[in-house]
Amino acid sequence: DAGVTQSPTHLIKTRGQQVTLRCSPKSGHDTVSWYQQALGQGPQFIFQYYEEEERQRGNFPDRFSGHQFPNYSSELNVNALLLGDSALYLCASSLVVGQGLAGGPETLDTQYFGPGTRLTVL
Amino acid sequence: AQTVTQSQPEMSVQEAETVTLSCTYDTSENNYYLFWYKQPPSRQMILVIRQEAYKQQNATENRFSVNFQKAAKSFSLKISDSQLGDTAMYFCAWLYSGGGADGLTFGKGTHLIIQP
Repeated sequence: DAGVTQSPTHLIKTRGQQVTLRCSPKSGHDTVSWYQQALGQGPQFIFQYYEEEERQRGNFPDRFSGHQFPNYSSELNVNALLLGDSALYLCASSLVVGQGLAGGPETLDTQYFGPGTRLTVL
Repeated sequence: AQTVTQSQPEMSVQEAETVTLSCTYDTSENNYYLFWYKQPPSRQMILVIRQEAYKQQNATENRFSVNFQKAAKSFSLKISDSQLGDTAMYFCAWLYSGGGADGLTFGKGTHLIIQP
């Protein structure tokens, strides 16, 4: 049973450049979430993709964008890189397990994480 | 907004001892999950244990157990018979379970060191 995979492992970019990170979810999962983990901090939620749409976004600027493909894999794109974007980027996959309360948005099961991509911006 | 607080930046214990990591959270929601994740130097975030807020019974996974106090909004992790491989960062995390696409809210982590 394949777990969550991410590529590349490490990446070095310069300020102003653009970067694309990739994630393949755990087998059977349909939802991908992206997190940014600065050194010495807990991960911060960037956004989540389900059914090829961005469903929710954390407090991150529009320079951060993403995409989900029909096979549920996902990409995270960051434009106009800043020094402060240097971090470990984590992808997590999960499965929608049912309708939310009062017919609201879906409920997610536990999120499983990939090994991360270390991005360094010089 | 939900917040998760881990008040112990670092803890160190001897191998085979029992250690308890603290976590408190603040939320007005009634339906949620709580998690403990482990992140060793390899960086991979590994699920340790999960607790549904509606369950009164504390979750247990082998040497790992939690003390979930919903009224006090407290969720501590107990590691029994600690092993060298338990050395890692431990993160407490909260997730709304009432529907929606929110991400996990993490604490800042506790660095646990198991000494031989």
